Amino acid sequence: EVQLVESGGGLIQPGGSLTLSCAASGFPVSDNYMSWVRQAPGKGLEWVSVIYTGGTTFYADSVRGRFTISRDNSKNTVSLQMNSLRAEDTAVYYCAGALIRGLFDYWGQGTLVTVSS
Amino acid sequence: DIVMTQSPDSLAVSLGERATISCKSSQSVLYSSNPRNYLAWYQQKPGQPPKLLIYWASTRESGVPDRFSGSGSGTDFTLTVSSLQAEDVAVYYCQQYYSTPYTFGQGTKLEIK
Repeated sequence: EVQLVESGGGLIQPGGSLTLSCAASGFPVSDNYMSWVRQAPGKGLEWVSVIYTGGTTFYADSVRGRFTISRDNSKNTVSLQMNSLRAEDTAVYYCAGALIRGLFDYWGQGTLVTVSS
Repeated sequence: DIVMTQSPDSLAVSLGERATISCKSSQSVLYSSNPRNYLAWYQQKPGQPPKLLIYWASTRESGVPDRFSGSGSGTDFTLTVSSLQAEDVAVYYCQQYYSTPYTFGQGTKLEIK
């Protein structure tokens, strides 16, 4: 069974850093296109970042230079290092993956990040 | 960036009736070399992550009821629920995966009339 479990969310002050982790089971993250998608409270979906099977990464303009996506094939996990956090980064962050580039076939339950003083 | 625009923002339909949601992209998401439309539809119920319903604009994901169908090509797409059931109450999003940044429509809230 395919499963994604996110962790690492919480309350953080503006300017702080946080690392989210996504543990996958039932499939190898190395063979899938893995993304982070976020959803601010009461708002729609916003794609944040993707790591391709070959390791290439892409970011939304709103997070480029502050967030870094990475993958650990040995642990079958995907991470999102978030620096210089802003109030507008407050959201539920979902880990999502698929065999098709850019698609979001499987999703985790999400982890809430709240940026506030 | 490709802008995705859905209409309407909300929709109330009677049980058993048809619901239709439109999605327009600011540029074509049809890859001329395949050719496939890089357009997906998701369903999100309160407190849950989104669920993939349709990809390649019209391919139903495994396990999705056949009352859900997708159509369209290029820049204009439609999600149709042929006979609305109570469990279909949700917010529906279209998404293009033609190019980064991958973008979603603003969502359409589907309710029972």
